[in-house]
Amino acid sequence: QKEVEQDPGPLSVPEGAIVSLNCTYSNSAFQYFMWYRQYSRKGPELLMYTYSSGNKEDGRFTAQVDKSSKYISLFIRDSQPSDSATYLCAWGGATNKLIFGTGTLLAVQP
Amino acid sequence: NAGVMQNPRHLVRRRGQEARLRCSPMKGHSHVYWYRQLPEEGLKFMVYLQKENIIDESGMPKERFSAEFPKEGPSILRIQQVVRGDSAAYFCASSPPNPEEGEKLFFGSGTQLSVL
Repeated sequence: QKEVEQDPGPLSVPEGAIVSLNCTYSNSAFQYFMWYRQYSRKGPELLMYTYSSGNKEDGRFTAQVDKSSKYISLFIRDSQPSDSATYLCAWGGATNKLIFGTGTLLAVQP
Repeated sequence: NAGVMQNPRHLVRRRGQEARLRCSPMKGHSHVYWYRQLPEEGLKFMVYLQKENIIDESGMPKERFSAEFPKEGPSILRIQQVVRGDSAAYFCASSPPNPEEGEKLFFGSGTQLSVL
């Protein structure tokens, strides 16, 4: 079983739609959870960061963590064409080494 | 406030040559990480360094790859005798020294290595 599973997409939605991106993990040692956004030919950019189960909101973005079921989600409200990118989930444990999902490619159509 | 700087952006090498990738962390950051991204794959951890110390190199291939972060100057990822399978995007990241923020990695724009 892979440590991290992420739906690769691609996902195509119309502008204004609510987007749901999901990842599951198997390692119970993971302590903190992140979402990164990566535009084409650019480095990943940290979007959301959380330690605990529950929801964390930042503008149009909401990260949801369920440690008992071992999944995390990212919701994007009122999606914009500028949100078109690859979204990477990531986990960390006792060290600073992050484990990344393979990424979901999102296209928001104007 | 400059971010993580990587150079070159693109590097072309022939099989058997050496590749040197450079990374300057964000100002005030003392931890540097190297990741590799292959097509259709996620980012894979390679090595974690602090100034003059390799903290974790568990993701580094055993041969041909080395990394350093000297007291002065950028971090260097060195690949000797490159092969076609080394073609990938190599990303450097840095993080702040304080433990509360240490897990937040800030990435550079990467170096795309192409081996002919």
